[in-house]
Amino acid sequence: QSALTQPRSVSGSPGQSVTISCTGTSSDVGGYDYVSWYQQHPGKAPKLMIYDVSERPSGVPDRFSGSKSGNTASLTISGLQAEDEADYYCCSYAGSFTFWVFGGGTKLTVL
Amino acid sequence: QVQLVQSGSEVKKPGSSVKVSCKASGGTLSTYTLNWVRQAPGQGLEWMGRLIPFLDIINYAQKFRGRVTITADKSTSTTYMELSSLRSEDTAVYYCARYSYGFQYFDSWGLGTLVTVSS
Repeated sequence: QSALTQPRSVSGSPGQSVTISCTGTSSDVGGYDYVSWYQQHPGKAPKLMIYDVSERPSGVPDRFSGSKSGNTASLTISGLQAEDEADYYCCSYAGSFTFWVFGGGTKLTVL
Repeated sequence: QVQLVQSGSEVKKPGSSVKVSCKASGGTLSTYTLNWVRQAPGQGLEWMGRLIPFLDIINYAQKFRGRVTITADKSTSTTYMELSSLRSEDTAVYYCARYSYGFQYFDSWGLGTLVTVSS
């Protein structure tokens, strides 16, 4: 069982928006602004999409955005495209004993 | 651009050990933290531990303490993860992932090493 809770799956049609939630505790998501999101296509390594809750690395489309409220972080993908179909994982810093916790992953299906 | 190049797939017997390598190609590990993250088949990501080579700091996830050892050869910019007392549940893809010291996100990942534990 993963430390952070994500929905197992979400779906949307091309052009629509979807939001993936990531719920933790005050010891991880709620305690630090160090939430990151990773996209993983089948058989590939994870790719950083969002860091520090809402920052986007260069090269990541601005269709991807992140936010946080309390112990829940969210990744929103607007203007869905076929290539967005992948698994998405959230990750949070959890202090100097646990360090890093991940969510169980959410499979995004573009209908 | 530093790339993380991992060693090839391994098949191991239960009870044995495996050592996976991760070489920083095209650069050094000088200001980076090297982490090991694993993913069991069809499962999520799981952080195992990290090494800060230039500070000689190593931290392990509680779940793996006593079974995992992370080391580095600074002369070759290579990090190693050794997992002992293997069991079938350790069958997974093992990734090395980097973040710059002082930052809190994994900005570069290796392609992964599949470790299969089977009798």
